[in-house]
Amino acid sequence: DIQMTQSPSSVSASVGDRITISCRASQGIINYLAWYQQKPGKAPNLLIYRASTLQSGVPSRFSGSGSGTDFSLTISSLQPEDFATYYCQQTNTFPYTFGQGTKLEIK
Amino acid sequence: QVQLQESGPGLVKPSQTLSLTCTVSGDSISSGDHYWSWIRQPPGKGLEWIGYIYHSGHTYNNPSLTGRVTISVDTSKNQFSLKLTSVSDADTAVYYCVREVGYSWYRWFDPWGQGTLVIVSS
Repeated sequence: DIQMTQSPSSVSASVGDRITISCRASQGIINYLAWYQQKPGKAPNLLIYRASTLQSGVPSRFSGSGSGTDFSLTISSLQPEDFATYYCQQTNTFPYTFGQGTKLEIK
Repeated sequence: QVQLQESGPGLVKPSQTLSLTCTVSGDSISSGDHYWSWIRQPPGKGLEWIGYIYHSGHTYNNPSLTGRVTISVDTSKNQFSLKLTSVSDADTAVYYCVREVGYSWYRWFDPWGQGTLVIVSS
């Protein structure tokens, strides 16, 4: 299986901050990568697909980049509703696998 | 607006079979435009993809669950289902049904059902 490793596992930040979450694949996945946001008690919500394409309705402060094995999710100016857990997911190879998650907390 | 809704028992005894159904509204499974997946999340942990099904009945399951998982589809009811046999504590999780969208190997999950918690306990 392809292992997806996110860093950091958790991060504290303030409203207005810019943060970047990294996701590394154990082997190259081209850009077959998606990002999801999950709030407590809720299902994950799609943010980005094809590594950098913003899902319709997702604010433009979210952006994704990367290819091969190294990817990142950036939030340019944190808003109160952005504090959540974020997951990356690869679909290059079966079985699809997710990163372990990055919890974004309010400082 | 596409919506998915999981249903099934919230409590299953060890060694028995977990059975869940996902009812899809706002989209037609039989259209063949998408795949339909199950994903689970143990309490406080990360996400695990279980497998998918296509309208034709073609499936792919996570090898980590090989031999225990059956995913089926009922296009007449616009539903797909999950059966997981010989459950143990490790199968306690929130189970999500999701629509798998995309093309080629560009795949992503949207939307997700609200999830249903299944507890394995005697």
